[in-house]
Amino acid sequence: QKEVEQDPGPLSVPEGAIVSLNCTYSNSAFQYFMWYRQYSRKGPELLMYTYSSGNKEDGRFTAQVDKSSKYISLFIRDSQPSDSATYLCAMSISNFGNEKLTFGTGTRLTIIP
Amino acid sequence: GAVVSQHPSWVICKSGTSVKIECRSLDFQATTMFWYRQFPKQSLMLMATSNEGSKATYEQGVEKDKFLINHASLTLSTLTVTSAHPEDSSFYICSAETGLAGEAYNEQFFGPGTRLTVL
Repeated sequence: QKEVEQDPGPLSVPEGAIVSLNCTYSNSAFQYFMWYRQYSRKGPELLMYTYSSGNKEDGRFTAQVDKSSKYISLFIRDSQPSDSATYLCAMSISNFGNEKLTFGTGTRLTIIP
Repeated sequence: GAVVSQHPSWVICKSGTSVKIECRSLDFQATTMFWYRQFPKQSLMLMATSNEGSKATYEQGVEKDKFLINHASLTLSTLTVTSAHPEDSSFYICSAETGLAGEAYNEQFFGPGTRLTVL
């Protein structure tokens, strides 16, 4: 069993729709949860990080963490064509530096104009 | 935000040759850099963690004699793929950690990646 599972998609939705991206994990030691966006042939860029269970909002993006279910989500409101990319969840045990990130496989998202 | 560059962005080489990939933090000093490999439609897999001035720490299953890592300064780490073979063809991405004191989150900034094709 992989430590982090993520539906690879692809996922296509019309512009303006709400997008839900999800990951599950098996290692209860994970404490930090991140969402990265990766455009084709580019490196990932950090969208959001969360530490505790609950919701964190940043503009059109909301990250949700449920540690009891080992389940995290990223919601994108009012989706735009520029949101078309691969979205990767990532997790780490601590944040003291030198910390290994464990990534999901990524979900390829296409927003249709 | 912090910027990480990689050079070259893509490289094609013959089987048996060695290839060097550079990773630079352009506007900050990075005591720790990470090297990842990403195969098509797969996740980023950590290959090794590189600390300035010390030997790299390799993940299980990664051959340290094949993937040589040198972190000679606080802004530069290099990955050399020695005696490359077609199965080494992949997308290699580095990241650098800011390690800034007082930061709420110790973020890794990723380079744009290097696509290696071994013929």
